[in-house]
Amino acid sequence: EVQLVQSGEEVKKPGESLRISCKGSGYSFTTYWISWLRQMPGKGLEWMGRIAPGDSSTDYSPSFQGHVTISIDKSFTTVYLQWNTLKASDTAMYYCATGGSAWTLWGQGTLVTVSS
Amino acid sequence: EIVLTQSPGTLSLSPGERATLSCRASQSVDSSRLVWYQQKPGQAPRVLIYGASSRATGIPERFSGSGSGTDFTLTISGLEPEDFAVYYCQQFSGSPWTFGQGTKVEIK
Repeated sequence: EVQLVQSGEEVKKPGESLRISCKGSGYSFTTYWISWLRQMPGKGLEWMGRIAPGDSSTDYSPSFQGHVTISIDKSFTTVYLQWNTLKASDTAMYYCATGGSAWTLWGQGTLVTVSS
Repeated sequence: EIVLTQSPGTLSLSPGERATLSCRASQSVDSSRLVWYQQKPGQAPRVLIYGASSRATGIPERFSGSGSGTDFTLTISGLEPEDFAVYYCQQFSGSPWTFGQGTKVEIK
């Protein structure tokens, strides 16, 4: 089955670090860039950045540049989204997505809650 | 950054009615890079229309997209109960890629 499977819900405190994951299977993992998107509670979708599975190059939205890091482990067909210092404002649902002309394949989402 | 403005914010309609959703861009968008998504509560978005007017695999014919330049439209020709959801337009034409704020189609 073609799918992206994300890691489970996280509850963290401000200042802590976090890495969430997105594992692809059932398709050629290196074909398309994989993006991360944020959806804050009750809000719309925001593109955070993307990574090319072929050469691991990255591209970030200016809104997220420097606050998150996107990385990849090709051997495990897994992409990661990492924070070194979480803020309460990072509380959101995070999705990974991929595709050619559009994001046709989405992960199920990872809910991250940052609260003291 | 290309700002996408969707209107209306909420559309209250009855099943069977026609829904017309608008997406206006702050600058010209390559039509081949304009996408519409549907999102239901608790679910990831799914693509409906790509390239402004091409239906994605498995999407019913009642969904259609049109437009060019700065004005794009998603039309649902006859609302089915499962169509009540939030709809987003999104552009890949200029980085950073951006979404509209969404239109909620609710049951009247």
